[in-house]
Amino acid sequence: AQSVTQPDIHITVSEGASLELRCNYSYGATPYLFWYVQSPGQGLQLLLKYFSGDTLVQGIKGFEAEFKRSQSSFNLRKPSVHWSDAAEYFCAVGVDAGGTSYGKLTFGQGTILTVHP
Amino acid sequence: GAVVSQHPSWVICKSGTSVKIECRSLDFQATTMFWYRQFPKQSLMLMATSNEGSKATYEQGVEKDKFLINHASLTLSTLTVTSAHPEDSSFYICSAEARNTGELFFGEGSRLTVL
Repeated sequence: AQSVTQPDIHITVSEGASLELRCNYSYGATPYLFWYVQSPGQGLQLLLKYFSGDTLVQGIKGFEAEFKRSQSSFNLRKPSVHWSDAAEYFCAVGVDAGGTSYGKLTFGQGTILTVHP
Repeated sequence: GAVVSQHPSWVICKSGTSVKIECRSLDFQATTMFWYRQFPKQSLMLMATSNEGSKATYEQGVEKDKFLINHASLTLSTLTVTSAHPEDSSFYICSAEARNTGELFFGEGSRLTVL
């Protein structure tokens, strides 16, 4: 069965510092991978996705993620964090995805990001 | 961007009553909608997949008679929690798959508290 692990439950960084959120997945087929952000009172917003091709994916709000098949990882990075980035971040793998369909998403446990001024 | 609206955003009900949560895709048609449940400080757990005009497919361990899902049109799916009990208190989130692009969009969630 598929699974997603986000080892860090809570991360605190200073504004302007770089950020890396870790994500490891387990899935028997070629993975469709996603990063979502959830802010209080708002729905999940897609930051970026990887279906195929270039393993370094650029997303919105200055985020990027790198797919490393050998490590079964899809870590999210941002070079300089802004206070508005404080939120909860979820990594997900799409099950039975294909073409442009995301499939059914299996989510990691989430990482709460706190940003200090 | 595409919008998925859930209603109500929060609801409090007495134990034993039923509660209906609506999930609407406002500016696109959704062939498939997914219902998730999120406990505090935990991840989203998929409950069921609903396809327009057909019966929902439930994940293992989810009681289909307790969580009734209807997907009557390409823009509306409903989740009814029947005979709710305090352990059903949770945050319920829907997502809709856009018919023409396959993209998934999430609603803002509905918080259910059962007293």
